[in-house]
Amino acid sequence: TQLLEQSPQFLSIQEGENLTVYCNSSSVFSSLQWYRQEPGEGPVLLVTVVTGGEVKKLKRLTFQFGDARKDSSLHITAAQPGDTGLYLCAGGPGTYKYIFGTGTRLKVLA
Amino acid sequence: DTAVSQTPKYLVTQMGNDKSIKCEQNLGHDTMYWYKQDSKKFLKIMFSYNNKELIINETVPNRFSPKSPDKAHLNLHINSLELGDSAVYFCASGGRNYGYTFGSGTRLTVV
Repeated sequence: TQLLEQSPQFLSIQEGENLTVYCNSSSVFSSLQWYRQEPGEGPVLLVTVVTGGEVKKLKRLTFQFGDARKDSSLHITAAQPGDTGLYLCAGGPGTYKYIFGTGTRLKVLA
Repeated sequence: DTAVSQTPKYLVTQMGNDKSIKCEQNLGHDTMYWYKQDSKKFLKIMFSYNNKELIINETVPNRFSPKSPDKAHLNLHINSLELGDSAVYFCASGGRNYGYTFGSGTRLTVV
C-alpha cells in the first residue's frame, strides 16, 4: 500500500517565523499536489509539481519535488496567521487515483 | 457560483437508517470522487467515476453505493448506517491534470 507520510504532524509557530513541511514516500509518484484545508471546508489546491527537482513559488510559499519523485517539501517564509490550516500533500500513482498524505496542522500565532 | 456543491452540510441520524448525500459540479470535469475524512483528518478515497462509469472502488462496505446519473452529478447512498460511518465526506472533481476541486463536505454523525 502506498503511503505518504508528512512531518511534522503538528506545528505551532509565531508570526514571522519560517517553516518547512515534508512529504515522504517509498513510492515514485507521477505528480504531487499540495492542498490547504481550513476548518469546515474542503481542501484547496495550492500547487501541482510534475518534474523531479521542480521548484515552484507561490508568494511566500516554495514547493519542491524531490529528484526521485518520492518526496516533496513546502517552505513558508515569514508565516502569517492566515497561513493557519491543515496542509495535505497528495501523490498520483495513476491517472485517477490520488493518495493523500497524513497531514500537517499548522497554527501561526499573532 | 459554487464549483462543487454537496448537500447536506450536516447530517445527524440514528444507527440503521439509510441516508444520501448529493454532489454536483459545474466545472465540466469528467471525473468525480468521494473521499472520507476521519477524526484524524486523514483523507481516504472511496469511489471515483469517470463519465458516469465507476473506475475506482476502494474496499468500501457495500452498504455504500455511489450513483452518477450524469458526469456533473455523483451521489452517495449509505444503507444501514453504523457508528463507525461517522466522518466528514467530501465530493471532488478533477484529477491529476487540473487538481482536485473539493466540496465543502458533509459531516455525518451516526448516533
